[in-house]
Amino acid sequence: AAGVIQSPRHLIKEKRETATLKCYPIPRHDTVYWYQQGPGQDPQFLISFYEKMQSDKGSIPDRFSAQQFSDYHSELNMSSLELGDSALYFCASSLTGRDVVAFGSGTRLTVV
Amino acid sequence: AQKITQTQPGMFVQEKEAVTLDCTYDTSDQSYGLFWYKQPSSGEMIFLIYQGSYDEQNATEGRYSLNFQKARKSANLVISASQLGDSAMYFCAMRVMDTGRRALTFGSGTRLQVQP
Repeated sequence: AAGVIQSPRHLIKEKRETATLKCYPIPRHDTVYWYQQGPGQDPQFLISFYEKMQSDKGSIPDRFSAQQFSDYHSELNMSSLELGDSALYFCASSLTGRDVVAFGSGTRLTVV
Repeated sequence: AQKITQTQPGMFVQEKEAVTLDCTYDTSDQSYGLFWYKQPSSGEMIFLIYQGSYDEQNATEGRYSLNFQKARKSANLVISASQLGDSAMYFCAMRVMDTGRRALTFGSGTRLQVQP
């Protein structure tokens, strides 16, 4: 079965650079979520989209933005990167009314 | 707001034995879902099991079962016949089911080590 696809798997950026993470949800899933997991931390919710519209907002910094496109893939854009942005970034997707929230394999961002 | 508490930072279990990972939650909502995920050292987040707040029977998925005690607000994960490959971080999570698309709130996790 198709899973949530994230790219790239690993990304190294310098401070003050920008980064774009991509996510392709499971086909027919209508909601996409972005999470940030710092070293030794639990995943923290950043933002979600339902049918391409922003649905909920969590602890997403103003330097970050996200959108969902007509083909349902989503991108997380991160600007003015800081050392503290180094983390594992997960995308997840779900279908309204169904129980499973499926996660991608994550993008490991390292800011140097 | 929802809160998930996992009080066991680390657990050890012998191979082939059963182990229980604790999870308590706090919410004022009546309709919610409880999830367990496994995160191996490679980093991916693997869905294990789900329990709805209105489900009368405890959920089971193969060697995983969820001991759901609604009055105590606990949702402990039981892994039977532990295997070396079960060594990983385990997260309990929940979400309110008002819209069916709320984000998950995670606990701090329990690191399980299975010993041969």
